[in-house]
Amino acid sequence: QKEVEQNSGPLSVPEGAIASLNCTYSDRGSQSFFWYRQYSGKSPELIMSIYSNGDKEDGRFTAQLNKASQYVSLLIRDSQPSDSATYLCAPVSGGYNKLIFGAGTRLAVHP
Amino acid sequence: DGGITQSPKYLFRKEGQNVTLSCEQNLNHDAMYWYRQDPGQGLRLIYYSQIVNDFQKGDIAEGYSVSREKKESFPLTVTSAQKNPTAFYLCASSKLPRALNTEAFFGQGTRLTVV
Repeated sequence: QKEVEQNSGPLSVPEGAIASLNCTYSDRGSQSFFWYRQYSGKSPELIMSIYSNGDKEDGRFTAQLNKASQYVSLLIRDSQPSDSATYLCAPVSGGYNKLIFGAGTRLAVHP
Repeated sequence: DGGITQSPKYLFRKEGQNVTLSCEQNLNHDAMYWYRQDPGQGLRLIYYSQIVNDFQKGDIAEGYSVSREKKESFPLTVTSAQKNPTAFYLCASSKLPRALNTEAFFGQGTRLTVV
């Protein structure tokens, strides 16, 4: 079992729709979770962090965390073509305190 | 401005040659990381360090070496033992992962090509 699993996509959504990105992780000790956005050929940039069960909203982005199910998700409302990128889920492993990444989900927002 | 600086942006290596990638941060972060990214793939952890003079192997450490002599610097050497080094290399830093608010920030990356 991979430490972090994400659907590779591409996830294709029309402009203005909600994009839903999912991630599962194997380390029950993980306490911190991050979502990064990466445009092709560029380095990842942080868009959301979440530490507690439930929802956390920041503008058009909502992160959701369920530690019992070892599941974290990212919702993007009113998707724009500029949101087209790869989204990386990154929990901090509990035992070794290291930041690990999923393979990423490629999102394509079409006009 | 605070941030992470990687150099060079592009690097070409001949077969059998060792090369060193530079990573410097002025964010006063304790933890630093090196990742490798192949085309269309995610980030794989090579090495990470949480304190000066200490570092741990990640998932793909073979053929790589690091040092952490200063808090600000975490250079990565790609040795001749790394048979397929062509990739995009990313350095990141964060506060110690034991606490919350441990977001990692990335440098701009070094693209290494074997010629």
